[in-house]
Amino acid sequence: DAGVTQSPTHLIKTRGQQVTLRCSPKSGHDTVSWYQQALGQGPQFIFQYYEEEERQRGNFPDRFSGHQFPNYSSELNVNALLLGDSALYLCASSPIRDRPGTEAFFGQGTRLTVV
Amino acid sequence: AQSVTQPDIHITVSEGASLELRCNYSYGATPYLFWYVQSPGQGLQLLLKYFSGDTLVQGIKGFEAEFKRSQSSFNLRKPSVHWSDAAEYFCAVFTGGGNKLTFGTGTQLKVEL
Repeated sequence: DAGVTQSPTHLIKTRGQQVTLRCSPKSGHDTVSWYQQALGQGPQFIFQYYEEEERQRGNFPDRFSGHQFPNYSSELNVNALLLGDSALYLCASSPIRDRPGTEAFFGQGTRLTVV
Repeated sequence: AQSVTQPDIHITVSEGASLELRCNYSYGATPYLFWYVQSPGQGLQLLLKYFSGDTLVQGIKGFEAEFKRSQSSFNLRKPSVHWSDAAEYFCAVFTGGGNKLTFGTGTQLKVEL
């Protein structure tokens, strides 16, 4: 079992550009959540996808969007990048059909640097 | 609003010494609580979780945590720290709907040999 895999591992973009990050969930998991972790901070919830729909959203602007595919993999898109978007982006998967709070498994993250 | 507070930003302990990392939460309903560990440049690994029942929970790598409802706390402990425990530790609370987690700001643990 490969666990949660994210790509790419590192990325450098210029202000104003757009970026797409990818996540493959752990086998058997159908729910994917995305988190942003700024340097020295805890992860902040961006949004969650289940059955190819956004189910919950944190306090992030519309520049942050996502998608979930029929195979449960997911993409996070960020438009009009700002310097403040530089962070580690973490993907977490979980089996939502289990009771609430079931363990979320995290990927290694994508380190995004905006210059 | 739900929140998690980790009052200690940095903690340094000697190898072999005991460890306690503090976590306080604010949540109106019965909390589901977690401790995660993050090594440099890595993702998060679950150490342990509390859903209900016994308030003392055991986790991996010899860690344990005690849920105290009266104090709104979920402190992480380890009797004897190993150098490999140096990492950042995050306390988190499940805040409803799927598996949305609210994290604290983390405690950076340094282990002196």
